[in-house]
Amino acid sequence: DAGVIQSPRHEVTEMGQEVTLRCKPISGHDYLFWYRQTMMRGLELLIYFNNNVPIDDSGMPEDRFSAKMPNASFSTLKIQPSEPRDSAVYFCASSTRESYGYTFGSGTRLTVV
Amino acid sequence: AQSVTQLGSHVSVSEGALVLLRCNYSSSVPPYLFWYVQYPNQGLQLLLKYTSAATLVKGINGFEAEFKKSETSFHLTKPSAHMSDAAEYFCAVMIYSSASKIIFGSGTRLSIRP
Repeated sequence: DAGVIQSPRHEVTEMGQEVTLRCKPISGHDYLFWYRQTMMRGLELLIYFNNNVPIDDSGMPEDRFSAKMPNASFSTLKIQPSEPRDSAVYFCASSTRESYGYTFGSGTRLTVV
Repeated sequence: AQSVTQLGSHVSVSEGALVLLRCNYSSSVPPYLFWYVQYPNQGLQLLLKYTSAATLVKGINGFEAEFKKSETSFHLTKPSAHMSDAAEYFCAVMIYSSASKIIFGSGTRLSIRP
């Protein structure tokens, strides 16, 4: 089991550019979560999916952020246009209802300059 | 609403000393509680979880936590600290009424003195 796989590990982009973060959950996991981690705000849940359907996107900061899960093995988080305040580490995690706990990916460190 | 509060953003102990990281929860129903560890530049890793079975939960790397309903606490302990335990530790609660959503505390950074 390769775990939750995120790409890229690091992303540096200029303000105003579109950024796409990618996540491959563990096979068989039917929940997928996107978190953002910053020094100021800690770990924030942005959105989560169950069986590829978005369940709760109340944590998505604004319309510039969007997330999709076109199939059980792939999800994207897109920021368009990006701003310096979006700089953070973005984590993807997956789980099953029975596992009671997530498996996290290694994260994508996003820097918007 | 369910939540967790971690007491102390930074804890420093000597190598070989007892590690105690404090977490208090707020929940109107029996909670599911977790401790995660994050090493520098890595994702979070599950240390242990409480899901209403035994109140003393043993996890990886010699850590354990005790669920105390009367104190609404779920403190993390380890008898003897190792240098490799230096990391950020997060207490978390699952809001199972919202289908597996987990809310994390603000984290406690553990430093180990030689």
